Amino acid sequence: GQQLNQSPQSMFIQEGEDVSMNCTSSSIFNTWLWYKQDPGEGPVLLIALYKAGELTSNGRLTAQFGITRKDSFLNISASIPSDVGIYFCAGQLNNAGNMLTFGGGTRLMVKP
Amino acid sequence: DAGITQSPRHKVTETGTPVTLRCHQTENHRYMYWYRQDPGHGLRLIHYSYGVKDTDKGEVSDGYSVSRSKTEDFLLTLESATSSQTSVYFCAIRTAGDEKLFFGSGTQLSVL
Repeated sequence: GQQLNQSPQSMFIQEGEDVSMNCTSSSIFNTWLWYKQDPGEGPVLLIALYKAGELTSNGRLTAQFGITRKDSFLNISASIPSDVGIYFCAGQLNNAGNMLTFGGGTRLMVKP
Repeated sequence: DAGITQSPRHKVTETGTPVTLRCHQTENHRYMYWYRQDPGHGLRLIHYSYGVKDTDKGEVSDGYSVSRSKTEDFLLTLESATSSQTSVYFCAIRTAGDEKLFFGSGTQLSVL
């Protein structure tokens, strides 16, 4: 079963707002990856993190590899309408070879 | 674009019929994966391949078989489709020595 807890499960955003989401686990991870999935498409890689404490940006997106190696965070600054979609975290467990474990996803929607 | 093509993109079939999904890659990646995506379960690994004729089971392999006779093609077969296999299926590739997965656009399979 899933070993990654991703939160929130869903959230509404208003254009211009900053957005934060995270993934947590009781297990230690060697690598964290963040993906975005648009409707009808496959997940697209946004950011890859390889070291505890690492902070990496991709445009308005910033992700961090938690110091404990059991969590990771993704922030989106000044959100725009095309940010809507599902964001997934994925981690490579310390003793799982190259297999990835996926979080359940955070669905970003636009406030009506 | 990671050079991954999945076919078909959509398929409707009846319970008990065999179904084969194809994943084709153009960049000679060693590792290929099949995932299924279902609401509430996220992405779950079905089977993967680490070379021609080298395959192994993932988390949810029951009812599925795979074959890889050429580097560029990875086939997923449902020998006798069941309604529980209605899902979106994603192929992914990975380069040796790198944890990053790159996904295809998916196949929506409906088993009636």
